[in-house]
Amino acid sequence: DTAVSQTPKYLVTQMGNDKSIKCEQNLGHDTMYWYKQDSKKFLKIMFSYNNKELIINETVPNRFSPKSPDKAHLNLHINSLELGDSAVYFCASSQDYGDEQFFGPGTRLTVL
Amino acid sequence: AQKITQTQPGMFVQEKEAVTLDCTYDTSDQSYGLFWYKQPSSGEMIFLIYQGSYDEQNATEGRYSLNFQKARKSANLVISASQLGDSAMYFCAMREGYNTDKLIFGTGTRLQVFP
Repeated sequence: DTAVSQTPKYLVTQMGNDKSIKCEQNLGHDTMYWYKQDSKKFLKIMFSYNNKELIINETVPNRFSPKSPDKAHLNLHINSLELGDSAVYFCASSQDYGDEQFFGPGTRLTVL
Repeated sequence: AQKITQTQPGMFVQEKEAVTLDCTYDTSDQSYGLFWYKQPSSGEMIFLIYQGSYDEQNATEGRYSLNFQKARKSANLVISASQLGDSAMYFCAMREGYNTDKLIFGTGTRLQVFP
């Protein structure tokens, strides 16, 4: 009964490939997020969605495209992967604006 | 300027002792929120405690308390009676404004608890 789940947990791929990371939350929350944590552990928001509507897009390259088929899911698709995309990607959700965010376990993406 | 500053890259504490992890923030908003998260070596991010800018009392959650000093713009995390399982990275984060969901994180402090 994991609250926020992500798949896959590890993703190793070649430069130039396209990949997706899936996120699902069963908390009934309205808002979902994607964060990127770099090799120095710095965590930065990428996107947020509220009820399937994009709210925040933090100047992320347009190779990254979030998709929210319903408010319980927020997937991240990445085109033309680059070495610098290697990081841990976290999905999170919150009930409403400003509430504490609950994080998924993270997906470690390695681009070779 | 850094919005969230955590000046301690690493801290050591002996089991059963208390430890304070520092966090200062920079905002001109009157309404904001401050959060602390724990990231153990397994990698997940665990929410610990929240303090709203208008909350008059310092937040407490079990062994965690937040020493909120608004005039000094600091929101230090105090862990009492440290346990070996407290060894982890700790991140301070801020939400600026009321009707926003954007969290800005600090660079983290690695806490190691030794027997």
